[in-house]
Amino acid sequence: QSVLTQPPSVSAAPGQKVTISCSGSSSNIANNYVSWYQQLPGTAPKLLIYDNNKRPSGIPDRFSGSKSGTSATLGITGLQTGDEADYYCGTWDSSLSAWVFGGGTKLTVL
Amino acid sequence: EVQLVESGGGLVQPGGSLRLSCAASGFTLSSYSMNWVRQAPGKGLEWVSYISSGSSTIYYADSVKGRFTISRDNAKNSLYLQMNSLRAEDTAVYYCARDLELRTWGQGTLVTVSS
Repeated sequence: QSVLTQPPSVSAAPGQKVTISCSGSSSNIANNYVSWYQQLPGTAPKLLIYDNNKRPSGIPDRFSGSKSGTSATLGITGLQTGDEADYYCGTWDSSLSAWVFGGGTKLTVL
Repeated sequence: EVQLVESGGGLVQPGGSLRLSCAASGFTLSSYSMNWVRQAPGKGLEWVSYISSGSSTIYYADSVKGRFTISRDNAKNSLYLQMNSLRAEDTAVYYCARDLELRTWGQGTLVTVSS
């Protein structure tokens, strides 16, 4: 059971937009920055979003992040087949003194 | 180019020990905090441990506390994870990752605990 809650799967057609939610609590999301990671099949995770809504160099602006209260959201526009991957949210949990992840969301681009 | 390369994984019997290494290149390790994260086969990501740049602050996941020890040698630009009393549920790919936000990841090393 993950500390952060994500939907197991989402799907959308190429060119469309999708959002992935991440729900937490006051000890994690509400009071700490949220990051998002993309894990393509058979590869290591890669940072997509940090500090709730910032993109590292090289990440296209099709990817966006937002946070409100105890929830965060990853948005992906202009979906491509190459976006098919597992997506994870993560943040620091101040009560656990631990980094926590969501269970991951598998994105299928139909 | 910033790069992290893990090594030291392999097959070990339950109750055994293993030491993982993470070699950093393209940046000065001493300036960054580091983490270990693992992923069991077919499962999600699980954070394992954190160490600050100067080793003054260390955290562990409850699942490994008392069995795993994180350390670093900034002079050798290397991060380590000493794993003792290994269990079947420790079987996973182990990644090292830079920064508290896990900004850069290595390719991972597989640890299999089985008799």
